[in-house]
Amino acid sequence: KNQVEQSPQSLIILEGKNCTLQCNYTVSPFSNLRWYKQDTGRGPVSLTIMTFSENTKSNGRYTATLDADTKQSSLHITASQLSDSASYICVVSGNTGGFKTIFGAGTRLFVKA
Amino acid sequence: NAGVTQTPKFQVLKTGQSMTLQCAQDMNHEYMSWYRQDPGMGLRLIHYSVGAGITDQGEVPNGYNVSRSTTEDFPLRLLSAAPSQTSVYFCASNFYRGDTEAFFGQGTRLTVV
Repeated sequence: KNQVEQSPQSLIILEGKNCTLQCNYTVSPFSNLRWYKQDTGRGPVSLTIMTFSENTKSNGRYTATLDADTKQSSLHITASQLSDSASYICVVSGNTGGFKTIFGAGTRLFVKA
Repeated sequence: NAGVTQTPKFQVLKTGQSMTLQCAQDMNHEYMSWYRQDPGMGLRLIHYSVGAGITDQGEVPNGYNVSRSTTEDFPLRLLSAAPSQTSVYFCASNFYRGDTEAFFGQGTRLTVV
């Protein structure tokens, strides 16, 4: 069964600290993996996309990694800011019985002053 | 450029009532979709459309209808609301079906009592 599992479910950190969010998937064959940020009361917005050949990609203070062999991805946030408080959703796409996109349940991040 | 516009933002319905959630995009995207987001779960696909006049069922289509008469508009109809349809609904558009970057509307929080 194609699944996307994210951990932790929620996380509280102090402003200025770093954190890492995890995403494990079983989608096969794999096409790509996206990380979305969802602010409270808003729709998700894409942060970055990882394809099979990419190991690391940065977008400002966000760095995503992908290990296609172990089917794991992480999103590292450096020097967190209050505005980073949001849900972060891992989304994996694959061509499995037709093109499919599977959403993880998300990690809820709270950044405190 | 408004992107994806969803209305209403909040709605309360009584069991058995019907309503239509509106969605419009101004990016000339071919692919549009409706998702529901429930606590602890990833976004689940309700219905999607690959172009005007073409719609298909997603993962959780029961109780919902869609139509796509124009490229811009993709309304979602609840036929006879049930408490199990209490959720947050998101409309999204992609340039085409295989393009994995989805642009989401702001969401509709629906409560069925």
